[in-house]
Amino acid sequence: QTVVTQEPSFSVSPGGTVTLTCGLSSGSVSTTYYPSWYQQTPGQAPRTLIYSINTRSSGVPDRFSGSILGSKAALTITGAQADDESHYYCVLYMGSGIVAFGGGTKLTVL
Amino acid sequence: EVQLVESGGGLVQPGGSLRLSCAASGFTFSSYWMSWVRQAPGKGLEWVANIKEDGSEKYHVDSVKGRFTISRDNAKNSLYLHMNSLRAEDTAVYYCARGRPPIGSYYVSHFDYWGQGTLVTVSS
Repeated sequence: QTVVTQEPSFSVSPGGTVTLTCGLSSGSVSTTYYPSWYQQTPGQAPRTLIYSINTRSSGVPDRFSGSILGSKAALTITGAQADDESHYYCVLYMGSGIVAFGGGTKLTVL
Repeated sequence: EVQLVESGGGLVQPGGSLRLSCAASGFTFSSYWMSWVRQAPGKGLEWVANIKEDGSEKYHVDSVKGRFTISRDNAKNSLYLHMNSLRAEDTAVYYCARGRPPIGSYYVSHFDYWGQGTLVTVSS
């Protein structure tokens, strides 16, 4: 069974740029996986950031952007802020009505 | 304003049953796919199930097939998750979410609105 993979943790300096990725244990992420990205802080519900590769959800600042980089989906945060310190999850459409979450990346801003 | 409010969580013994509900408001409920997503304590998010606008198609993650069933009542603007044969590993916060297909496509690929979740604890 194909697993959706993410870096377990990442760190970025305030004002810096970071790219988180979302891949597959077998194969490459393409546009037909329609990657989406979610932010979650402890004790809170997830917040939708990006869908369909690179469309920002309503109210999401433009320093969050999505793309396909090589064989993976990517979430780039430009000009990181302290309140970007969160867990970030990707979702891929796996076919036949099924979606799958990645394991999540814990982003530290320091 | 879109609102999704879950209820029905609680403590249940292994092998027991529970029905979760999600009350939707602020949008035309019958026009959208709906989903359940769960999160075990200290763990990541896991998709559980999707249901089509009219309830005619349902999809469940393998780990709950045969035990959980997603359903909806469009007249009541409500989504449900019927959970049977509960196991300790089903302990999680269960979120109701509105599922969306990509433009021009059919199946859910992402979620745009989320409830605050309801906690299910399976323990003796």
